[in-house]
Amino acid sequence: GAVVSQHPSRVICKSGTSVKIECRSLDFQATTMFWYRQFPKQSLMLMATSNEGSKATYEQGVEKDKFLINHASLTLSTLTVTSAHPEDSSFYICSARQGINQPQHFGDGTRLSIL
Amino acid sequence: ELKVEQNPLFLSMQEGKNYTIYCNYSTTSDRLYWYRQDPGKSLESLFVLLSNGAVKQEGRLMASLDTKARLSTLHITAAVHDLSATYFCAVRRAAQKLVFGQGTRLTINP
Repeated sequence: GAVVSQHPSRVICKSGTSVKIECRSLDFQATTMFWYRQFPKQSLMLMATSNEGSKATYEQGVEKDKFLINHASLTLSTLTVTSAHPEDSSFYICSARQGINQPQHFGDGTRLSIL
Repeated sequence: ELKVEQNPLFLSMQEGKNYTIYCNYSTTSDRLYWYRQDPGKSLESLFVLLSNGAVKQEGRLMASLDTKARLSTLHITAAVHDLSATYFCAVRRAAQKLVFGQGTRLTINP
């Protein structure tokens, strides 16, 4: 089956640092990748949608300068949380889709803790 | 704007009992998904439902879709402890984004 690998699975870092999370589609080409954030006991909130080679489309209220998304190839997208603060602590999940009518496959998530 | 609502949001039940989780959505959509999430984990895909009257079953879980009522159900038969998790439905309309329900936290007690 389609596999999406997300790395790292857990990050703990100091306030003010930048953190990069990678999302790879291992056995298919992902034309579209999605980044979600999930706070404890809440649902998934879509942050942005990225198509390979294009700029990401951010959801309302998501700061594009703070959450930098790069989707430079059909198998890799990265999310960089710049100058992270404690309120950015959350569970970040990526998802990838091969085509417009294909299902989304989810990564294992990254738990980000900012001290 | 597409909205998805699940109920109940919390469900505590005994092993061996049957129960149903409901998922309502606000506008016509072309596919509905059910996912399971264990604590600290990502989503596991359970079912995708594409057409009116679609029914899918896997073990003790059965999902159905009524597009006219804009309603999907996830039925749990003879619940076992291993089914304790949070269950999400999500709906997608055409080429638009996936919209998730709030999730139903299911606890199954011995």
